[in-house]
Amino acid sequence: DVKVTQSSRYLVKRTGEKVFLECVQDMDHENMFWYRQDPGLGLRLIYFSYDVKMKEKGDIPEGYSVSREKKERFSLILESASTNQTSMYLCASSLSSRGNEQFFGPGTRLTVL
Amino acid sequence: GNSVTQMEGPVTLSEEAFLTINCTYTATGYPSLFWYVQYPGEGLQLLLKATKADDKGSNKGFEATYRKETTSFHLEKGSVQVSDSAVYFCALLYTGGFKTIFGAGTRLFVKA
Repeated sequence: DVKVTQSSRYLVKRTGEKVFLECVQDMDHENMFWYRQDPGLGLRLIYFSYDVKMKEKGDIPEGYSVSREKKERFSLILESASTNQTSMYLCASSLSSRGNEQFFGPGTRLTVL
Repeated sequence: GNSVTQMEGPVTLSEEAFLTINCTYTATGYPSLFWYVQYPGEGLQLLLKATKADDKGSNKGFEATYRKETTSFHLEKGSVQVSDSAVYFCALLYTGGFKTIFGAGTRLFVKA
């Protein structure tokens, strides 16, 4: 069974802390994505990666960075967490061919105090 | 640009009622279309998809037909169950693209 796992389901951090969210997929997918989901705003793409060491900005990259050193792992980094980054963070992966759906992890609910 | 518009929720139905969630899209070329479902406390999962015009996707009693002439991909189910309560997202993947464009989501409540 295909699987996308995220390092934590719930995380509480303080303003100014550096936060790492990890995502691992076991499907040998080329593409990986980080979204945040907020009530009334749907899913918003933060960053995506279509290959190892490659990254592209999504719609809301400010305040975030990413790292993809291995094909199966895609990390989201909050350099200095702020309260407006309190959200649900979803990781996803997909194959690079027409019509391929994204597979999502269970999400990490991050609270920044 | 590419976009997806789906009906606002929440939608509240009684068990065994008929469900329609409307979805229309704007895209160049021939995108692939998807419905994803998110159950409480979980990530999204694919419900069904269609990759070309007139294709019908179906799964778990849900159906949607890719209508190019009306740029629509409406989700239907003949008889909903309490366990169908979730948030439903319509989405498109445009030709040659990496990114999926998601609609805002429609929350469905099914009462026993």
